[in-house]
Amino acid sequence: AQTVTQSQPEMSVQEAETVTLSCTYDTSESDYYLFWYKQPPSRQMILVIRQEAYKQQNATENRFSVNFQKAAKSFSLKISDSQLGDAAMYFCAYRSDDKIIFGKGTRLHILP
Amino acid sequence: DTGVSQDPRHKITKRGQNVTFRCDPISEHNRLYWYRQTLGQGPEFLTYFQNEAQLEKSRLLSDRFSAERPKGSFSTLEIQRTEQGDSAMYLCASSLGDRIHEQYFGPGTRLTVT
Repeated sequence: AQTVTQSQPEMSVQEAETVTLSCTYDTSESDYYLFWYKQPPSRQMILVIRQEAYKQQNATENRFSVNFQKAAKSFSLKISDSQLGDAAMYFCAYRSDDKIIFGKGTRLHILP
Repeated sequence: DTGVSQDPRHKITKRGQNVTFRCDPISEHNRLYWYRQTLGQGPEFLTYFQNEAQLEKSRLLSDRFSAERPKGSFSTLEIQRTEQGDSAMYLCASSLGDRIHEQYFGPGTRLTVT
């Protein structure tokens, strides 16, 4: 069964600095999707970035980028120039057939 | 259409009561998903529909839970004889076909069972 592990329950970063959130996953599939979702306090889940496993190039979306290491089954999220609005729970997730499997999340605090 | 909507946003009920939640997906999305999120955890898949057909149910969906999507548009999730362990955020999401990688989430219904 596919699993997603986020080993950092909470992290803090100074505003304007860079932070990296870690994620590892387990799968026997060769082609799949990985995601990072953001869930701000009392607000809905939104997709931050996604990566298709067959693409070697790491995905980027403005200040958000991933480091996808397929052999190591690692999928970390880097947030550059952190902003107060980045404070949220961040979930790493994996597409398994017709559903998405989520990690337990990392709560990110932005220090002004 | 501004996105996936859910109603109510909050529900407090006494143990043993029945509750029903509604989800309205993005209008052109034919797939609709239900997830449950307990405190400190990521969302867990419960079930999903393609149009009006319920195609998969998680083992988390006990026989006290039932979901419907009668006309392939909105969906309801009913919990009968609620228990304190049912307290959670219930999230709905929708996608166009099997483009689950472009799934959009609603704001959720927070259920508290006292």
